[in-house]
Amino acid sequence: GAVVSQHPSRVICKSGTSVKIECRSLDFQATTMFWYRQFPKQSLMLMATSNEGSKATYEQGVEKDKFLINHASLTLSTLTVTSAHPEDSSFYICSARDQGGLSYGYTFGSGTRLTVV
Amino acid sequence: DAKTTQPPSMDCAEGRAANLPCNHSTISGNEYVYWYRQIHSQGPQYIIHGLKNNETNEMASLIITEDRKSSTLILPHATLRDTAVYYCIVRVHGGSNYKLTFGKGTLLTVNP
Repeated sequence: GAVVSQHPSRVICKSGTSVKIECRSLDFQATTMFWYRQFPKQSLMLMATSNEGSKATYEQGVEKDKFLINHASLTLSTLTVTSAHPEDSSFYICSARDQGGLSYGYTFGSGTRLTVV
Repeated sequence: DAKTTQPPSMDCAEGRAANLPCNHSTISGNEYVYWYRQIHSQGPQYIIHGLKNNETNEMASLIITEDRKSSTLILPHATLRDTAVYYCIVRVHGGSNYKLTFGKGTLLTVNP
């Protein structure tokens, strides 16, 4: 089945630094990927839709200059948290859909736990 | 996408069937019912989806009422590893840029 690999699984960074999270579709091409954020005991909140070869579409309230998304190929999307602060500490999850595969929906990465100290 | 309503939590004994309800009274004719689950600190996992007929796969069964205003996800023999948050999502099928919107889901706790 479709597999989405997300890296790193955990990262700790100092306040003010930037962190890059990678999301790869391993056995299929994904023209569109999605980035979610999840705070403790809360549901997943969609941050942005990443489109290959074009600008990402951000949800209302998400700062595009803080959360930079690059989708340069059909198998890779990256999320960069710039000038991270402790309030950015969260669980970040990406997802993608294999258009050519079974029509059972979206495949999710295993998530990245970001801790900003 | 239509809004869904799920109980915040449920308990189930190991080995017994877990029946998770979902109300989606505003569902439209071209919207499917999807179920995902999220085990703690992992990404969501697809379980099953359906339009109007009941569906079954190796993980679960999905029962959709005739008027399509509600559905039930059935885990026939729950195990401790089925403890997770279960999300019922209603949305239009197809299209890679259709986003999935998650509600609060149901925390299913399977007890030994």
